[in-house]
Amino acid sequence: DAGVTQSPTHLIKTRGQQVTLRCSPKSGHDTVSWYQQALGQGPQFIFQYYEEEERQRGNFPDRFSGHQFPNYSSELNVNALLLGDSALYLCASSDRGASPLHFGNGTRLTVT
Amino acid sequence: DAKTTQPPSMDCAEGRAANLPCNHSTISGNEYVYWYRQIHSQGPQYIIHGLKNNETNEMASLIITEDRKSSTLILPHATLRDTAVYYCIANKAAGNKLTFGGGTRVLVKP
Repeated sequence: DAGVTQSPTHLIKTRGQQVTLRCSPKSGHDTVSWYQQALGQGPQFIFQYYEEEERQRGNFPDRFSGHQFPNYSSELNVNALLLGDSALYLCASSDRGASPLHFGNGTRLTVT
Repeated sequence: DAKTTQPPSMDCAEGRAANLPCNHSTISGNEYVYWYRQIHSQGPQYIIHGLKNNETNEMASLIITEDRKSSTLILPHATLRDTAVYYCIANKAAGNKLTFGGGTRVLVKP
């Protein structure tokens, strides 16, 4: 039974570019959340998707957007990249309201 | 979500019990206490959660004080693989957004 899978594992982008990160939830899970983790800090909640709609959002600008597909997989898009967007981006899935979050191992994004 | 306070770091000896404290004095009646850990270069891993009663699973035990203002995560026989950052989080429901603090960096020494 595969857990949460994320791709790619590492990515290097230039300031001003756009990036798309991908996540497949754990089998049986229908809710996907995204977190940003800067070096040396705890993860910060970006947003949560359920039934293909954004349900909750953290304190992140509109440059951060997402999508959830009918198969429950999800994408995180970041436009107009800033140096400060360099971080580990974590995807987590759950069976809505019924289970703790299961996290993937993240995508390490470096913006130069 | 209620704020939690944890010591920034602690060491423990391999094979001994590790007791990780967490203060959550403003926790509300419907907030659970969740524990996650993050091993280097991996995503956070769920350990255990509880509301009022003490809980135990194959990974750890969770002791919550009667007034629910603090809790302790117990790793009964720490191994080197338990070296990680441990996060204590107060949250209303399992799938809701989690507010991570700085956590406790635990180093298990041989």
